[in-house]
Amino acid sequence: DSGVTQTPKHLITATGQRVTLRCSPRSGDLSVYWYQQSLDQGLQFLIQYYNGEERAKGNILERFSAQQFPDLHSELNLSSLELGDSALYFCASSVVGQPINTGELFFGEGSRLTVL
Amino acid sequence: ILNVEQSPQSLHVQEGDSTNFTCSFPSSNFYALHWYRWETAKSPEALFVMTLNGDEKKKGRISATLNTKEGYSYLYIKGSQPEDSATYLCASITGGGNKLTFGTGTQLKVEL
Repeated sequence: DSGVTQTPKHLITATGQRVTLRCSPRSGDLSVYWYQQSLDQGLQFLIQYYNGEERAKGNILERFSAQQFPDLHSELNLSSLELGDSALYFCASSVVGQPINTGELFFGEGSRLTVL
Repeated sequence: ILNVEQSPQSLHVQEGDSTNFTCSFPSSNFYALHWYRWETAKSPEALFVMTLNGDEKKKGRISATLNTKEGYSYLYIKGSQPEDSATYLCASITGGGNKLTFGTGTQLKVEL
């Protein structure tokens, strides 16, 4: 158990809908990262927050948004869903603002989104 | 090299074999290189984080080396066991940014 909690574990929805994925980082970790893993793709970096502020942005679509709350949990909002958004969405946390030196990432178990 | 690339894509070995995989990454403005182990139906777990050229890390039968000048890292597994079966991911931070970019992984299957 990494200590990172993601909900829901599975989600099935229809095209055009909006969903929210939630992540609670390990106790004491200030950074939260979101990654997307689609079929036959590696882990694609979406966005990182550090202590409530956006720190880095990857290939995140405009239909997607995220935030980190004062209690450090984070939410990833996916709207106007398309079939291609079906993927496993991982949240990870680390102590420091940047994953350098010993700042390894601790991953949650992922939220599997299926868009029909 | 512009992206993080891993080879081979998959590997089947016999129990007791030693094996190694390669991770290639952009060498300019290198910051750190991570290795993760990802078992089926679980989440990735960190093996090593390396930052210095020439770094060598070891954890049990698994070790890794780093060459930041030429942009590659090797992961070695000595005496593979069935429980080593997993996908091994590497990821690098380059360009001074915060993005940890992952390769697509090497899928290892150790057979009895």
